[in-house]
Amino acid sequence: DTGVSQDPRHKITKRGQNVTFRCDPISEHNRLYWYRQTLGQGPEFLTYFQNEAQLEKSRLLSDRFSAERPKGSFSTLEIQRTEQGDSAMYLCASSTGDSPLHFGNGTRLTVT
Amino acid sequence: DAKTTQPTSMDCAEGRAANLPCNHSTISGNEYVYWYRQIHSQGPQYIIHGLKNNETNEMASLIITEDRKSSTLILPHATLRDTAVYYCIVRGRYGGSQGNLIFGKGTKLSVKP
Repeated sequence: DTGVSQDPRHKITKRGQNVTFRCDPISEHNRLYWYRQTLGQGPEFLTYFQNEAQLEKSRLLSDRFSAERPKGSFSTLEIQRTEQGDSAMYLCASSTGDSPLHFGNGTRLTVT
Repeated sequence: DAKTTQPTSMDCAEGRAANLPCNHSTISGNEYVYWYRQIHSQGPQYIIHGLKNNETNEMASLIITEDRKSSTLILPHATLRDTAVYYCIVRGRYGGSQGNLIFGKGTKLSVKP
C-alpha cells in the first residue's frame, strides 16, 4: 500500500508531556497537510507544506504546536506541554499540486 | 469557515440510490465542489469533484446546478459499506491557501438493510 502513512496510530500521554507524530506522504506528492479532528466535528485545517516550505501556519492552534518537513518528504507535528483539550485525531494528507488530497488514517491522541 | 450547508443526517435503503444535497450559494467562479467521505476510524476519502459540468466516476455522480449554487452527490446503488459522513467542500481552483480543504460537519449517511 503506497498511501499516506501516519505513526503512531494511537498515543496516550500525560498532561504536560511533549508528543511528536510522523506522516509519510505518497512519495511523489509535493504538498503535505495537517488537520485535527475532534469528536463529532469535521477535520480542521492546521498547516501545509509545499516541498519543505511551510506556506500556511496561521491556523496552528497555539505556539505549542509546530510542524516540520525538513527534506520535503516526511513531516512531523509536535505538541509541547500537552493539555487535555489537545485530545483529538490528527490527520495528515498529501497531494500533487492541486490534485485531490489523500488522507492517512490519523493518529489518535489522548491526553490524561 | 465552511462555505457549504448540508443536512445533518440521512437514511437510505440498501440497493437504492442515495442523493446527498449540498448548498454552496457563495461559490465563486474559481472554486470547485469536492466531495469526501469518512468511514468510522478512518481518514477522509476522496470521492469526486467538479467545476460546473456533471461528473461521474466509479464511485459516484456529481450533479451541479447551472447557477452552481448547489449540488447533489449520487451513490447509485448504496451498500452498507457506504455508511459514512459525507463532506461537501468548496475548494479554490488555483491552489495556495485557497487550495486547502475547509470541512464542515457533513452529512451522516446511514444505509439500512
